[in-house]
Order: sequence, then structure tokens, then C-alpha cells
Amino acid sequence: EDQVTQSPEALRLQEGESSSLNCSYTVSGLRGLFWYRQDPGKGPEFLFTLYSAGEEKEKERLKATLTKKESFLHITAPKPEDSATYLCAVHVFYQKVTFGTGTKLQVIP
Amino acid sequence: DGGITQSPKYLFRKEGQNVTLSCEQNLNHDAMYWYRQDPGQGLRLIYYSQIVNDFQKGDIAEGYSVSREKKESFPLTVTSAQKNPTAFYLCASTPEGGTGELFFGEGSRLTVL
Repeated sequence: EDQVTQSPEALRLQEGESSSLNCSYTVSGLRGLFWYRQDPGKGPEFLFTLYSAGEEKEKERLKATLTKKESFLHITAPKPEDSATYLCAVHVFYQKVTFGTGTKLQVIP
Repeated sequence: DGGITQSPKYLFRKEGQNVTLSCEQNLNHDAMYWYRQDPGQGLRLIYYSQIVNDFQKGDIAEGYSVSREKKESFPLTVTSAQKNPTAFYLCASTPEGGTGELFFGEGSRLTVL
């Protein structure tokens, strides 16, 4: 069975304190790994797609990396507006996308 | 602006009543999806549709029904057979031949009283 596990469940950072979120996965064949940001009461917003081990993508203070077993979302010098829940999802085949339960990030001014 | 519109944003229902959630997109995407989100759980797929007049069950389709009469519309009916319908419902879409990334609406929160 395909599984996606995100850790930690919650993370509290001081403004400017860099850290990483983890997404480990066990799937039969990875076609793509996605990161989304979700604000309270809103739909998820697409951030990145990673396709193969070694790939990296960046957007502002966020950088996503991928290995054969896990992905990291690195947050450099976060600001309070980065506070949100970050979701990881894996695309296994055709229309099968499995989501993790998310990491709730809080950045304190 | 292109996007996905879900309505209503909040909905209250009495037990035993059916309720329909609306999802409309103007992105010209072929595939549309309905997900359910509960606290502490990942998004779970209810139904998806690749083309008009065709749809497939997802992982948790029991107690739900959908229709796809138009490319831009994919309404979800939560029936009285759904044992635990209180949840946050998300509609999403992807273009044909897309790489799998989903474009989501703002969600509809259903509460059963």
C-alpha cells in the first residue's frame, strides 16, 4: 500500500530560524512528488513538483529536495506569513495521488 | 481570472437530508476531483472525472454521488447514506496530459446537526 508520512506534525519557529519539513514515502512507482501550502479554511495552493532523486526547486524562502525515499521542504529565514500547513503528495499512477497529513508551521515574530 | 469556484462555503444539514456541493471551473481542465479532508488525516479521494459524462469512484465513494454533464461543472451530492458527512470538501482539477498537480477550490465545510 502506498504511504506518505510527514514529520513533524507541528513546528513552531522564531522568525528567521531556518528549518526543514520531512516527507517520507513508500510507493510502488513514483511519477511525481508535490508540495502544497494550505492556509486555514482554504484550499491547498500548489508549490512544487519533483520528479526524480536529486532534483531541487526553489521559490522565495522555500526549497524542496527529493531522494529515493523522502523529500524535504527547507524554509530559510521564515517570516510570519509563511505560517500554514504544508502538504506533501505523491503521484503514483494515472489519477492516483496520495496525500500526507501535513505539517502545521507557525512562525513567531 | 481562471480558477475553481466552490459553493456554498459553509453548509449545515440535518441528519437524513441530502445536500449538493457545487464546483465550477473556468480553467478548461478536463479532469475534476472531489476530496474530503478531516483533521489529522490526509486528503481522501471521493470521486474523479476524466471527461464529460464519465466518472470513477475514489477511495471513499460510499454515500456520495456525482455528475459531469458539462466540462466546467462537477457537483457532489452527500446523501443520507454517508454515515459521517461532517468534513471539509475540496474540489480540484488538472489539465489533460498534466503532470498530476492539482488546482484546488476554496473548499466547502459541511456540518451535520
